Amino acid sequence: QVQLQESGPGLVKPSETLSLTCTVFGGSISRYYWSWIRQPPGKGLDWIGNIYNSGSTKYNPSLKSRVTISVDTSKNQFSLKLTSLTAADTAVYYCARVSVGQCPNGVCYTAFDPWGQGTLVTVSS
Amino acid sequence: DIQMTQSPSSLSASAGDRVTMTCRSSQTISNYLNWYQQRPGTAPKLLIYAASSLQSGVPSRFSGSGSGTDFTLTITSLQPEDFATYYCQQSYSTPHTFGQGTKVEIK
Repeated sequence: QVQLQESGPGLVKPSETLSLTCTVFGGSISRYYWSWIRQPPGKGLDWIGNIYNSGSTKYNPSLKSRVTISVDTSKNQFSLKLTSLTAADTAVYYCARVSVGQCPNGVCYTAFDPWGQGTLVTVSS
Repeated sequence: DIQMTQSPSSLSASAGDRVTMTCRSSQTISNYLNWYQQRPGTAPKLLIYAASSLQSGVPSRFSGSGSGTDFTLTITSLQPEDFATYYCQQSYSTPHTFGQGTKVEIK
């Protein structure tokens, strides 16, 4: 079955850019949609954005100006770039597959499954 | 954005208890509602999708119900491994939003 693993730096300085990679094992990245979600320490879950197998993306408007999600099919990986970091971006970052079900009336049932184990990113000087 | 509100924020229960928690959306989302379980230090795990469909491999003591704006997750006969935080999430529209979570603690 599909498994995901995040990788990237654990510590990044304020104002710098975060780059994270999610490697997909056990399935072709081209067949599915993918997502990034984050969780500040002790808090709830925040959706960052999705990338679809067409290459199109959707981002959370709260982060849209700072986020880029991309796919590298040759490596079976997708990536997250988040610019202009502040302490508020400190969080565990998860990658996840977007499972898609039926689409009645043009709105598809989707869910995040499975998830990677998560990687803690701390923004601090 | 669609706001998701869960209640209670935490509850205490004993093994074997029946537990119910609720999730309310700020606008109607039909049944575009998922539930996740997160044990401490681990990633969330999908339990229920489309409000009431049990994800493969999830024990049948978990069930979901609801439509429109009000949803419920029920755990019958709580097991030790069920002590965790539960999140609802709407998939009706982007940005996909989560509730703040309900933490199930040991009484």
